[in-house]
Amino acid sequence: EPEVTQTPSHQVTQMGQEVILRCVPISNHLYFYWYRQILGQKVEFLVSFYNNEISEKSEIFDDQFSVERPDGSNFTLKIRSTKLEDSAMYFCANQRGGRETQYFGPGTRLLVL
Amino acid sequence: GQQVMQIPQYQHVQEGEDFTTYCNSSTTLSNIQWYKQRPGGHPVFLIQLVKSGEVKKQKRLTFQFGEAKKNSSLHITATQTTDVGTYFCAGFYSGAGSYQLTFGKGTKLSVIP
Repeated sequence: EPEVTQTPSHQVTQMGQEVILRCVPISNHLYFYWYRQILGQKVEFLVSFYNNEISEKSEIFDDQFSVERPDGSNFTLKIRSTKLEDSAMYFCANQRGGRETQYFGPGTRLLVL
Repeated sequence: GQQVMQIPQYQHVQEGEDFTTYCNSSTTLSNIQWYKQRPGGHPVFLIQLVKSGEVKKQKRLTFQFGEAKKNSSLHITATQTTDVGTYFCAGFYSGAGSYQLTFGKGTKLSVIP
């Protein structure tokens, strides 16, 4: 089965610091997503990315968040100035075509102190 | 906003008993997907339902999509300890370019051996 990989697996940061979460997508998968899951809660959509631009974003995805695919391969999520409430598991997901199976990465657990 | 309600939140069953989780949306879904998340793991795609009234089976798992495409269920027959985890439904809503998956809160299944 195709695999999405994410780095780092864990990240601890101080409030106000910037973090960059990285995702290596499945080749030939054209749609990219970031989700977050606060401990014990549901998976929440953050942003979708297609054709090198954001196609949709949720209300959670405010000006502190940004995504890019700088080298045409890795897909990154940047949080500019982290807040305590940003502590969560962040999942990257890939999809080959619209509304098909989404393959989730193992996640990055972010802890903001 | 669009929401997918899922019940129950928790379910404890004896091994061998059946288990059902239900999802409901206030508005029509384009399609619905089901995911399983093991403790400490990431969501893993189980199945996608697209057609009104569709029923799909995977061994002991039976998935249904309602006639109005507003509700869905997952039924597990004769649960095993390997079924432990949280089961999420996630829906796509109709609308051009809408690739945002909206997740239910999940049903956490515990199986008592």
